[in-house]
Amino acid sequence: DIVMTQTPLSSPVTLGQPASISCRSSQSLVHSDGNTYLSWLQQRPGQPPRLLLYKISNRFSGVPDRFSGSGAGTDFTLKISRVEAEDVGVYYCMQGTQFPQTFGQGTKLEIK
Amino acid sequence: QVQLVQSGTEMKKPGASVKVSCKASGYTFTSYGINWVRQAPGQGLEWMGWISPYNGNTHYAQKFQGSVTLTTDTSTSTAYMDLRSLRSDDTAVYYCARDHGTDEAFDIWGQGTMVTVSS
Repeated sequence: DIVMTQTPLSSPVTLGQPASISCRSSQSLVHSDGNTYLSWLQQRPGQPPRLLLYKISNRFSGVPDRFSGSGAGTDFTLKISRVEAEDVGVYYCMQGTQFPQTFGQGTKLEIK
Repeated sequence: QVQLVQSGTEMKKPGASVKVSCKASGYTFTSYGINWVRQAPGQGLEWMGWISPYNGNTHYAQKFQGSVTLTTDTSTSTAYMDLRSLRSDDTAVYYCARDHGTDEAFDIWGQGTMVTVSS
C-alpha cells in the first residue's frame, strides 16, 4: 500500500496568517492515465470529513479560494492563504492513484 | 440537496454483526460509487471498500476481505455495510462517502455512524 506522510502533525497558526501542510507519498501518484489522484480533506471537530481539493489543485464546489494545492509526483502541499477561525480542524491528504486508497495521518490546525 | 444520511448509533457485543445504512438523495444513485471509511476514536481515516450501485461490483481493502459485505438497494437508493465477527478494535465511526465522478476523491460524506463494540 502507498504510505502517505503528512508534516507537521500539528500547526498552530495566527488568524489572518498563512498556513501550509505537506504530504509525501511512498510512491509516485502519477497514474498511467496521466492524472495525479491526490485530494485534501478537512475535518472540523465533531464533523465528517469534507472534500477541499481533488487532483492536486482543483477546488471542490463551495471551497473558498484561500485554499490551494500544489505539487507533483510524491510531494504535495496544501496552503491556506489567510487562516480564519472556521479553518480549525484536522486536514488529511488522500491518494486514489493506487488501490487501496490511503490517507495521511492528519494535521491538526489550531489557532495560536 | 445532495446528501447521504446514515443510520444511528450501534452498540454490539464482541462476535456480533452490525449493518449500517447510507441513504442517498438529491442525485442519481446508480451514477456514483459509494465508499466506506472508518475512523477509530481519536484516530485517522481508513478506507474499507467500495461498491458500484450501478452493477453491484465491489472492491474491499485486504484487511476487510471476508468480514465486510457491501450491498445496495437501488429501489430505496440505500447502501449498506455489513461487518461481522466484531471485535473491540472495530469500535469506530463508520462513514459512507460518494465518489467524485472518476476523480478518485470522495465528495459527499454521510454524517457517520458510531459503532461501539463492548462486552
